[in-house]
Amino acid sequence: ETGVTQSPTHLIKTRGQQVTLRCSSQSGHNTVSWYQQALGQGPQFIFQYYREEENGRGNFPPRFSGLQFPNYSSELNVNALELDDSALYLCASSLAGGQFKGTQYFGPGTRLTVL
Amino acid sequence: AQTVTQSQPEMSVQEAETVTLSCTYDTSESDYYLFWYKQPPSRQMILVIRQEAYKQQNATENRFSVNFQKAAKSFSLKISDSQLGDAAMYFCATLGGNKLVFGAGTILRVKS
Repeated sequence: ETGVTQSPTHLIKTRGQQVTLRCSSQSGHNTVSWYQQALGQGPQFIFQYYREEENGRGNFPPRFSGLQFPNYSSELNVNALELDDSALYLCASSLAGGQFKGTQYFGPGTRLTVL
Repeated sequence: AQTVTQSQPEMSVQEAETVTLSCTYDTSESDYYLFWYKQPPSRQMILVIRQEAYKQQNATENRFSVNFQKAAKSFSLKISDSQLGDAAMYFCATLGGNKLVFGAGTILRVKS
């Protein structure tokens, strides 16, 4: 069974640029959630995708957008990067139903630095 | 709305001893789940234990167990026979609907 994978591992961008982060869900999982974790804090929910549709969104501006593909993999796009966007971005996959519904399994994260 | 509070920023335990990490939560959801995640220095978030709120029986997973007090909205994690590899940041989280809400975390240090 393949776990959640994310790419790239690290990324450095400058203010105003755009970035795309990628996530492959755990085998058999149909739901992907994205979180932002600033240093020293708990993760904050950005949004969730289920069956290629956004299925809930946290308190993040529209310049944070996403996609989910038919194979359940997902992208997080951030436009007009700001210094405060520097963080660890975590992707988590889960199943929408079954015995372990909702239990989210995390990838290793992408560390984004905005200069 | 959901909130999670971890009142212990840092805890220490001697190897082979037992330690308990505290967590309180608040949620308006009637059907929810509670979790403890571990985040070592690699920053990979690892699921430690899961509790369904409708189950009265406390969840256990090898050396890890929880004390779930639904009326008090308390969800503590007990780690028995602590090992050096248990050293990490521990996050308590609640899942209501589709999003996880995390506490601020507790750093656990294990002394040899």
